[in-house]
Amino acid sequence: EVELEESGGGLVKPGGSLRLSCAASGLTFSKVWMSWVRQAPGKGLEWVGRIKTRIEGGTTHYAAPAKGRFTISRDDSKSTVYLEMNSLETDDTAVYYCSSHATVGSMIFWGQGTPVIVSS
Amino acid sequence: QSALTQPASVSGSPGQSITISCTGTSSDIGTYIYVSWYQQHPGEAPKLIIYDVTNRPSGVSHRFSGSRSGNAASLTISGLQPEDDAVYYCSSHTTDNTLLFGGGTKLTVL
Repeated sequence: EVELEESGGGLVKPGGSLRLSCAASGLTFSKVWMSWVRQAPGKGLEWVGRIKTRIEGGTTHYAAPAKGRFTISRDDSKSTVYLEMNSLETDDTAVYYCSSHATVGSMIFWGQGTPVIVSS
Repeated sequence: QSALTQPASVSGSPGQSITISCTGTSSDIGTYIYVSWYQQHPGEAPKLIIYDVTNRPSGVSHRFSGSRSGNAASLTISGLQPEDDAVYYCSSHTTDNTLLFGGGTKLTVL
């Protein structure tokens, strides 16, 4: 059974930083793309960014709101993907999900999410 | 890029069929087969129900089907059941190598 477990969420002040982790089990982690998706309270899903496999160079792509502020990385030895978030704004308040890709455009396995609250 | 366009809500009675539309552009749905649909119940993580326009993951009911024409995609749910009451999101890969979601459609099973 595949499990993704996010951690690291919490309350942070505007301008602050936070690092989220997502530990995976039950899949060959090194062979899958991983994405982060967020959902603001009462709102829809918003893709944050994605990291390809190490063999593919670990290439990352980000949505416009995340570009320049967020960084996705992976440690295949720990089956873990990270989301480093800097210069946080109140609009970044959301539940953050990590997910593993089935194909280029689809995410088949999801964690339960970790909440991030940006507030003074 | 703007989010894909979905109707805010649809409804249907048990046993009926409904279709949810998802409109994009030539920079996303119109170019790639990488269109997916997700179902989300309140308080839960999204669940993939259709990938690459028409494919169902293992374990997903045959009542769910997807299609695409031009810059738009559709999700059809046949034989509506009470457990289908949820929010549905479409998504597509884009020419910017990003991924776009639709705004979500609330399906109410009457």
